[in-house]
Amino acid sequence: NAGVMQNPRHLVRRRGQEARLRCSPMKGHSHVYWYRQLPEEGLKFMVYLQKENIIDESGMPKERFSAEFPKEGPSILRIQQVVRGDSAAYFCASSQGLALGSYEQYFGPGTRLTVT
Amino acid sequence: KNQVEQSPQSLIILEGKNCTLQCNYTVSPFSNLRWYKQDTGRGPVSLTIMTFSENTKSNGRYTATLDADTKQSSLHITASQLSDSASYICVVSAKSSNTGKLIFGQGTTLQVKP
Repeated sequence: NAGVMQNPRHLVRRRGQEARLRCSPMKGHSHVYWYRQLPEEGLKFMVYLQKENIIDESGMPKERFSAEFPKEGPSILRIQQVVRGDSAAYFCASSQGLALGSYEQYFGPGTRLTVT
Repeated sequence: KNQVEQSPQSLIILEGKNCTLQCNYTVSPFSNLRWYKQDTGRGPVSLTIMTFSENTKSNGRYTATLDADTKQSSLHITASQLSDSASYICVVSAKSSNTGKLIFGQGTTLQVKP
């Protein structure tokens, strides 16, 4: 059973371009979470999705950021018109059930976004 | 505001020695507390998960304790190895959250030297 997959692992974008980050959850997992880790800081929750639904996007900036988890295919975190402050590591995690209980969240290796 | 505070911020120990990392939280009501290990350039990996009714949980050389009354947790590492060098993150889930949102501490960076 493959773990959580994220691609690309490294992404370089110029200011104003779009960044698309992909996350394939573990097999059998229908809950996906996105986190951002700025340099020298802890992980911060961005958004929680179940298949085709955004459940909680309270941690995601209102503008330029969007996320989806379609019925088929990976979850996508999209950042439009990137700025230097978007440079960070973006981690995806998946779980079998709601992590409120004892369901474990399994993390992917992350995508390191650098905005030049 | 719900917060998770960890100490020390960083720690250097010699191989074979023991160490204890601390976590204080203000998240209430509390559902569960987890400790993760994050190697440089990698995603976090779970070490332990404890509900409010559990006082201690072990995973090999890692032992986590929880005092829900004082809202404190510790992670004890026994007979440290070079591969233990990593960031250790305390993570808390709020019972009031219906979204499974986790609140992360800043982490303690542990360096084990030969």
